[in-house]
Amino acid sequence: AQSVTQPDIHITVSEGASLELRCNYSYGATPYLFWYVQSPGQGLQLLLKYFSGDTLVQGIKGFEAEFKRSQSSFNLRKPSVHWSDAAEYFCAVGAAGNNRKLIWGLGTSLAVNP
Amino acid sequence: EPEVTQTPSHQVTQMGQEVILRCVPISNHLYFYWYRQILGQKVEFLVSFYNNEISEKSEIFDDQFSVERPDGSNFTLKIRSTKLEDSAMYFCASSPRTSRYEQFFGPGTRLTVL
Repeated sequence: AQSVTQPDIHITVSEGASLELRCNYSYGATPYLFWYVQSPGQGLQLLLKYFSGDTLVQGIKGFEAEFKRSQSSFNLRKPSVHWSDAAEYFCAVGAAGNNRKLIWGLGTSLAVNP
Repeated sequence: EPEVTQTPSHQVTQMGQEVILRCVPISNHLYFYWYRQILGQKVEFLVSFYNNEISEKSEIFDDQFSVERPDGSNFTLKIRSTKLEDSAMYFCASSPRTSRYEQFFGPGTRLTVL
């Protein structure tokens, strides 16, 4: 069965520091992978997605993620974190079939110290 | 920029009561979804809807749940007899035919069952 694991429940970084949020997936075929961000009181905003092609994908707000098939990973990175990046980050994989449902990780809560 | 909207933002109800959560998907989208997120848990798929019928539902989506697209714009989730364990954030999402798996989410409705 498809699944997504985000090993880090909570991460704290200093403003200006680099960030990497981990995501591992279990999926039999080429996955469709996503990172969403949820700020307090807000909905789920798509940061970036991987469907095929270049394994390094760029997203909004200066985020990028790299798909590594050999490691079944899709880690999210940002070279310099801003205080406004404090939020909950979710990794998701698109399930097989026409229904296109998303399978989600538990999320990583990011805190940013000034 | 078009967005998915949901009403109400917060609904409080008594156990056993019926609730209807409303969503207005993006106007040219064809696929519609409901997800829920119980506090502290993963976002879970409930149901997908296409061409005026359910295309997939999860085991959570039992006979107490139903979805409807009563007109050309609204997409509703009804819970017939709410239970305490239905307390969660409910997210509506929609996606266009042209962008596989890319789902656009509303801000969510927080349902509290007392």
